[in-house]
Amino acid sequence: DAKTTQPNSMESNEEEPVHLPCNHSTISGTDYIHWYRQLPSQGPEYVIHGLTSNVNNRMASLAIAEDRKSSTLILHRATLRDAAVYYCILSRLGGQNFVFGPGTRLSVLP
Amino acid sequence: NAGVTQTPKFQVLKTGQSMTLQCAQDMNHEYMSWYRQDPGMGLRLIHYSVGAGITDQGEVPNGYNVSRSTTEDFPLRLLSAAPSQTSVYFCASSPPVGDEQYFGPGTRLTVT
Repeated sequence: DAKTTQPNSMESNEEEPVHLPCNHSTISGTDYIHWYRQLPSQGPEYVIHGLTSNVNNRMASLAIAEDRKSSTLILHRATLRDAAVYYCILSRLGGQNFVFGPGTRLSVLP
Repeated sequence: NAGVTQTPKFQVLKTGQSMTLQCAQDMNHEYMSWYRQDPGMGLRLIHYSVGAGITDQGEVPNGYNVSRSTTEDFPLRLLSAAPSQTSVYFCASSPPVGDEQYFGPGTRLTVT
């Protein structure tokens, strides 16, 4: 499985946008890019996923580089509830066995 | 829908004991899986199942058994608990087509 690289931690102020980067230079043409987050003492929860085009949903936006070697998760207005570990994961088309790295720990300051 | 449920929430075992962690989902999902998460680390896949009667090994299967006799249930058995199995265990399920996985709240296991 292709690997992803994320910063260990990031900080943001409340109500400001947050851009969480992910590098995946060995991504293959059929790999989907997924983002999950894990709030303290909870299981991971789905945030967003995409293949080639940028994606938006009620939680976040996913910006995918043209060469697909990197992507950015965008939280438009961070709230204290968004403090969590964010995981960027690649999976083959139809594949559901995820390989989780250590993720990015996002702190949101009031 | 209750989603994915796991029992128990907490468990303490002595080395050598066996036990079963329960996982159930009421969303009629074909795919189910078990992960473990050690402190400060990401999740690692233990076993998974693509449907009733079908299971396969993940990244760290040693010391664990699974079976899938129904679509709803996917229990994880620890055969002879070891301190290295102290971890938080998460069960997940997803539909056969589609990429969102639903995770349970986890079982925190301590082996002394």
